[in-house]
Amino acid sequence: DAGVIQSPRHEVTEMGQEVTLRCKPISGHDYLFWYRQTMMRGLELLIYFNNNVPIDDSGMPEDRFSAKMPNASFSTLKIQPSEPRDSAVYFCASSFPAEGNTIYFGEGSWLTVV
Amino acid sequence: QKEVEQDPGPLSVPEGAIVSLNCTYSNSAFQYFMWYRQYSRKGPELLMYTYSSGNKEDGRFTAQVDKSSKYISLFIRDSQPSDSATYLCAGCLTSGSRLTFGEGTQLTVNP
Repeated sequence: DAGVIQSPRHEVTEMGQEVTLRCKPISGHDYLFWYRQTMMRGLELLIYFNNNVPIDDSGMPEDRFSAKMPNASFSTLKIQPSEPRDSAVYFCASSFPAEGNTIYFGEGSWLTVV
Repeated sequence: QKEVEQDPGPLSVPEGAIVSLNCTYSNSAFQYFMWYRQYSRKGPELLMYTYSSGNKEDGRFTAQVDKSSKYISLFIRDSQPSDSATYLCAGCLTSGSRLTFGEGTQLTVNP
């Protein structure tokens, strides 16, 4: 399996622009997570889905952030409008609990908002 | 107070040393505990996974959980330069639920 696939790997955008991050989870995994990592705050869970349904979005910082999972093989995290403080690495991860709660992470999307 | 606390380091040791990495947590309902390793500019990868209290060994790595003191440890024996990475501990309530991570400890093993 190719693992969790994220795109883009790197993005530099101007403040106020819309940013869309994409994720393809591992086939057969029914949980999908979006995390954000910064030096100051470490790894923070933004939102997670089970069978394409959002379960907990309490980590989404504000209304500028939204996430969707239209099907089992695709999810997006959108930031509109983007701000410099959104600069971070955004990780998508997926899991299949019957495998013992192993959560597999993608390589991350490195976002810089200038 | 963060739910999972971890000394960020950095920690620098000579090759061959025994490394001890530690975390404390505050949520007594946590049942599953993990250690992830993250190389520079890469995503975290699962190293060890334990359920409830006890020890688990995998090669040079041993994970310990003491639920009475809410303490999680990872020991690395015969450390190698390739072990240089950031190590993240995490806890969660049930299988499949959200993981709560510590901030990670940066480890360097010097040849």
